[in-house]
Amino acid sequence: AQSVTQLDSHVSVSEGTPVLLRCNYSSSYSPSLFWYVQHPNKGLQLLLKYTSAATLVKGINGFEAEFKKSETSFHLTKPSAHMSDAAEYFCVVNKLIFGTGTRLQVFP
Amino acid sequence: DAGVIQSPRHEVTEMGQEVTLRCKPISGHDYLFWYRQTMMRGLELLIYFNNNVPIDDSGMPEDRFSAKMPNASFSTLKIQPSEPRDSAVYFCASSLVHNRGPPNTGELFFGEGSRLTVL
Repeated sequence: AQSVTQLDSHVSVSEGTPVLLRCNYSSSYSPSLFWYVQHPNKGLQLLLKYTSAATLVKGINGFEAEFKKSETSFHLTKPSAHMSDAAEYFCVVNKLIFGTGTRLQVFP
Repeated sequence: DAGVIQSPRHEVTEMGQEVTLRCKPISGHDYLFWYRQTMMRGLELLIYFNNNVPIDDSGMPEDRFSAKMPNASFSTLKIQPSEPRDSAVYFCASSLVHNRGPPNTGELFFGEGSRLTVL
């Protein structure tokens, strides 16, 4: 069985502070994991992906995620939020199973 | 490459009318996906094709929905008759299977979506 859970539907941070978007997954085989970002009225864009290589994955715009098998997690982080990071973020397992999304708000 | 192209970007129609959404995938991609996005249900996979053949249509909500891919560069999603609860943003995405990797590792490239409003 495959599933993905995004633990927070909304996250609010101040500009310049760290971002943490949480994702837990379930997969009956070694998973591929993705994070996508969706800006308002736009399609989704790939931020980063894990496909059984290095467990710490770096993506675009300063985002990174760490695959932790023991915790079945793939949390997305960024050291310092930017106003332009405000968007909806989706965690995806095995390419097709999307989480419900986390809306990130960034305050000045 | 122009990316995945969807049309129309916006459509407003009345209940009972037929709606046809169109998608042109990225040239050379061999997978095509149709998703529906609503506030209530998030992103739902409706159907996907591999080499123009439907592989999994278990997400298609009911018989009013149908999808075709007559060739590698074109797909349609049709709703007949449409109902207000079909109002959503419909996304098309395409993907390339990397020869050395399993099929679930390819990145999805999304179009900008077709926003459908059924009155």
